Amino acid sequence: RKEVEQDPGPFNVPEGATVAFNCTYSNSASQSFFWYRQDCRKEPKLLMSVYSSGNEDGRFTAQLNRASQYISLLIRDSKLSDSATYLCVVNKVGGFKTIFGAGTRLFVKA
Amino acid sequence: DTGVSQDPRHKITKRGQNVTFRCDPISEHNRLYWYRQTLGQGPEFLTYFQNEAQLEKSRLLSDRFSAERPKGSFSTLEIQRTEQGDSAMYLCASSSYINREGTEAFFGQGTRLTVV
Repeated sequence: RKEVEQDPGPFNVPEGATVAFNCTYSNSASQSFFWYRQDCRKEPKLLMSVYSSGNEDGRFTAQLNRASQYISLLIRDSKLSDSATYLCVVNKVGGFKTIFGAGTRLFVKA
Repeated sequence: DTGVSQDPRHKITKRGQNVTFRCDPISEHNRLYWYRQTLGQGPEFLTYFQNEAQLEKSRLLSDRFSAERPKGSFSTLEIQRTEQGDSAMYLCASSSYINREGTEAFFGQGTRLTVV
């Protein structure tokens, strides 16, 4: 089993739709969690950190469920510019080894 | 530009040749990571430095791979006797250590290696 698993995708949604991505991690000792965004042929960039209490940044909401070892990302009112691959990222205890999921591809269409 | 920079951006080499990539992290960052990414996959962890110390190395790294960060600033990743399976994007990232939870990692634009 992979340490970090994500919905395989791709997700094809119309503009204005709400879309949710899920991610599960296997190491219960994992310490910190992030969502990164990667555009085609570009480097990954931080989208948002994921806190135990959940956090929201504009149209984006991240949730963490430690008991179920589950992370989610919700995007409301999707824009064409949201089209990208979304990577779930988990830091192990001590923060040395950062593990990426394989990513979920999102296509937002007009 | 004060971001992470990698050199070269692209490298085409013949099988069996050695290649070396360079990464210059953000200057105040003491943590440096190397990842490898192939098409359709997320970045795979290769190795991690805190200052000049290499603290973790993935089992993905065979003996043909070596990384250094001699003065705790820039880092090099060398691949000896390259194989076609080494073709990938090699990404470098850096971050600062504030607390146990770690901080955001900033990535360079990567070096795309093609072994022919």
